[in-house]
Amino acid sequence: EVQLLESGGGLVQPGGSLRLSCADSRFTFSSYAMSWVRQAPGKGLEWISGISGSGGSTKYADSVKGRFTVSRDISKNTLYLQMSSLRAEDTAVYYCAKLGGWPAGAFDIWGQGTMVTVSS
Amino acid sequence: QSALTQPRSVSGSPGQSVTISCTGTSSDIGGYNYVSWYQQHPGKAPKLMIYDVTKRPSGVPDRFSGSKSGNTASLTISGLQAEDEADYYCCSYAGGYTFDVFGTGTKVTVL
Repeated sequence: EVQLLESGGGLVQPGGSLRLSCADSRFTFSSYAMSWVRQAPGKGLEWISGISGSGGSTKYADSVKGRFTVSRDISKNTLYLQMSSLRAEDTAVYYCAKLGGWPAGAFDIWGQGTMVTVSS
Repeated sequence: QSALTQPRSVSGSPGQSVTISCTGTSSDIGGYNYVSWYQQHPGKAPKLMIYDVTKRPSGVPDRFSGSKSGNTASLTISGLQAEDEADYYCCSYAGGYTFDVFGTGTKVTVL
């Protein structure tokens, strides 16, 4: 069964950068589109980024466009989210999720999440 | 793109049915048959319960069902059980620019 594992979260100062990773060694990573979804403390879910199976197509929510970059390394079966110019409002649990289709598909498998805290 | 609108909370007794509404626009729910629903227990990752408006993933009880009419989607939980107490989020594809938009979330309480 597909199992996703995020890493890379932590405490970072406003304006700083952080790179999140999401890996699974038990399926052909390149076959699936993937997304990042975040959840601020006590708040709802927010889709922030998606990438096609090949990595050739990416999309971003307005809230992170120009600051976050999604990418994937097929050889390492790993998805990344490079976050820069971080703000307090980026504080959230970040989930990676497998998409059932591209560009439209449900988030059918989720990781356990990694916490990002932006604070001085 | 604004979040889809869900009631803040719904409740029911064990064995009863509850329905959660999710209201959007013609640019999201009304324009596509890509509505999904997620269950989230406290401190846990969301879990897919319904996709493509009405379809259930393998392993999801048939007590959970989805529907759509116009710009509003609904999730119905029949035969409510204690383990159904959780937060529920709807989500809709919203086109090539916006991609996906989630609902505001509904807390289901089993009395």
